[in-house]
Amino acid sequence: LAKTTQPISMDSYEGQEVNITCSHNNIATNDYITWYQQFPSQGPRFIIQGYKTKVTNEVASLFIPADRKSSTLSLPRVSLSDTAVYYCLVGDSMNSGYSTLTFGKGTMLLVSP
Amino acid sequence: EPEVTQTPSHQVTQMGQEVILRCVPISNHLYFYWYRQILGQKVEFLVSFYNNEISEKSEIFDDQFSVERPDGSNFTLKIRSTKLEDSAMYFCASSPQGYYGELFFGEGSRLTVL
Repeated sequence: LAKTTQPISMDSYEGQEVNITCSHNNIATNDYITWYQQFPSQGPRFIIQGYKTKVTNEVASLFIPADRKSSTLSLPRVSLSDTAVYYCLVGDSMNSGYSTLTFGKGTMLLVSP
Repeated sequence: EPEVTQTPSHQVTQMGQEVILRCVPISNHLYFYWYRQILGQKVEFLVSFYNNEISEKSEIFDDQFSVERPDGSNFTLKIRSTKLEDSAMYFCASSPQGYYGELFFGEGSRLTVL
């Protein structure tokens, strides 16, 4: 299982770009990197997924260097409503199953006015 | 936007009682999951379900737990004899693909065992 390490918390202000980095030194060849967001008392919500290089969607970008030992979730121009816990998951659900996709403690992002 | 719905939103039960948590996955999804989150702790995988059978389960998913898809829309989690440590938020999720891609989570059912 690829273990992930993220900062416990981060603080930002409205309008700033936030970058959350996740370390996954023992990522396996078939592993994908997936980020979820969770608000209090709600289910996690998928943000973005990638395998290598850069992936961008309407809410975030995911940067993955060539060695894939880390990844960075980039949230452009955060707002107060982006205050949440962000989880980095690394695994190969296709071959190794969903039980291998474990939610860690995540990064608590607090956005202030 | 289609969503996963769960009922009840909150259930309080006595230790030893049976509990059934219900989920209606997104209609064209084929893969279904239950996760749980004890207050202040991690989201933990319990079980995945495809083609009317369990495809994976974690160590948490012991003989006290069972899942069922009794009709074409509902997906249920049953806890036969609840324990205090079963108190948690239980999340149902579904996905169209079953691998990679996005899991769509419901809002959760909070179970309190007294």
